[in-house]
Amino acid sequence: QVQLVQSGAELKKPGASVKVSCKASGYTFTTYNIHWVRQAPGQGLEWMGVINPSGGETSYTQKFQGRVALTRDTSTSTVDMELSSLRFEDTAVYYCTREIAALGGAFDIWGQGTMVTVSS
Amino acid sequence: DIQMTQSPSSLSASLGDRVTITCGASQTISSSLNWYQQRPGKAPKVLIYAASTLQGGVPSRFSGSGSGTDFTLTISSLQPEDFATYYCQQSYITPWTFGQGTTVEIK
Repeated sequence: QVQLVQSGAELKKPGASVKVSCKASGYTFTTYNIHWVRQAPGQGLEWMGVINPSGGETSYTQKFQGRVALTRDTSTSTVDMELSSLRFEDTAVYYCTREIAALGGAFDIWGQGTMVTVSS
Repeated sequence: DIQMTQSPSSLSASLGDRVTITCGASQTISSSLNWYQQRPGKAPKVLIYAASTLQGGVPSRFSGSGSGTDFTLTISSLQPEDFATYYCQQSYITPWTFGQGTTVEIK
């Protein structure tokens, strides 16, 4: 079945970097953009950025410019999200999600989420 | 960036009630508006896309309307599984942005 499976929870210290993986299966990986959305504890959803798995083009929200990088590996159908210079306020659940152009750009499939905790 | 504002932030309702949640955009987004439901500890699930189109498998008690800057999500008869948080999201232009969420609680 169509699914996105993310890597496991991470515990990091302030100033460190974290890489979260998102492996796609059940569909042609290069067909649909993959976005990353995060959710701090008890808070709402925050869009971080998007990657086109076909050509590798990326776009990030200004808030994370210079700190976030999305990359893809077409041989393993995986998208990685790396966030650097971690701060306490980066503690959140990070989701990858698939955009469907035919659905007006809505996100139809989501990963299970990866909890990233930043603590000293 | 386009700001999305939902109202109310939370509401209490009873089973069978009709519930309406509104979402306003800070500039026109045509019909590029999507609604998601999120239950505690789970990933969001798309309910409505392109302002008014029901995603496959979503019960028909959910409906969406609006265009331009003003949008509405309606649940015609609240069921136990509908108690959750609902988010609107614009997909008109990057950065994609979400509303702050509306939590529907049991009265």
